[in-house]
Amino acid sequence: GAVVSQHPSWVICKSGTSVKIECRSLDFQATTMFWYRQFPKQSLMLMATSNEGSKATYEQGVEKDKFLINHASLTLSTLTVTSAHPEDSSFYICSATGPYSNQPQHFGDGTRLSIL
Amino acid sequence: GQQVMQIPQYQHVQEGEDFTTYCNSSTTLSNIQWYKQRPGGHPVFLIQLVKSGEVKKQKRLTFQFGEAKKNSSLHITATQTTDVGTYFCAGLDDYKLSFGAGTTVTVRA
Repeated sequence: GAVVSQHPSWVICKSGTSVKIECRSLDFQATTMFWYRQFPKQSLMLMATSNEGSKATYEQGVEKDKFLINHASLTLSTLTVTSAHPEDSSFYICSATGPYSNQPQHFGDGTRLSIL
Repeated sequence: GQQVMQIPQYQHVQEGEDFTTYCNSSTTLSNIQWYKQRPGGHPVFLIQLVKSGEVKKQKRLTFQFGEAKKNSSLHITATQTTDVGTYFCAGLDDYKLSFGAGTTVTVRA
C-alpha cells in the first residue's frame, strides 16, 4: 500500500528557531502533497497544497512567509516553520496523493512541534 | 467555501451496540472519504464513496453517500474495543479535502 513517511516525529526547540519537516512518499509518485495542522481534539485544518515543481497554494489566513513549503520532487515535500513561536506549537501532518487528485490521501505519522 | 459538518462530536458506546455518525456538506461533493484516527496516531483512509446513493460495507462498517451527494453516514454494528478512535468524513471539492470535526468514539466493556 501507499506509504508516506514524515520526519521528525517530535521537535522541541526554543522560540525563534526555524524547523523543517519532511514528507516523503515511499512507494508512489505524489503529484500533490497537503500540509495540515491539528490542534488537540480538533479536526485537520488544511494549511497549504503543494504540487511538484510549482509554488504552494496557501489557505486563507496561513502566512506563506511563516510556513515555507517546497515540493522539489514527486516524492518529497518540506514544510519549514520559520522563526517559530509558542503559538506555532501544534501537530503538523502531511498527506500525499497521486497521480490523480481525486484519489485518497495517504497521511504521514505527523510531527508534534513544541516551541518553548 | 465548502463546509463539512459532522455529528455527534463524541459517541460513548457500550461494547456490542451499534452507532452512527453523520456528515453534511454545504455544497455538492465530488466524492466523500472516511478516515479513522487512533489516539496519538495519524488519519488512516477507510473508504471513498463517489456515486449518488452509494452504499459500501467493510465488515461491521456500513458507509452511505446521499442521493444529492451532500451527506454521508457511517454505521458501525456490534461495536468492539478496536473501534476506539476518531472518525472523520472529508468531502472532496475540486482537489481539496474538507474535513468534518470528527466523531470521537469510546467504548465501555
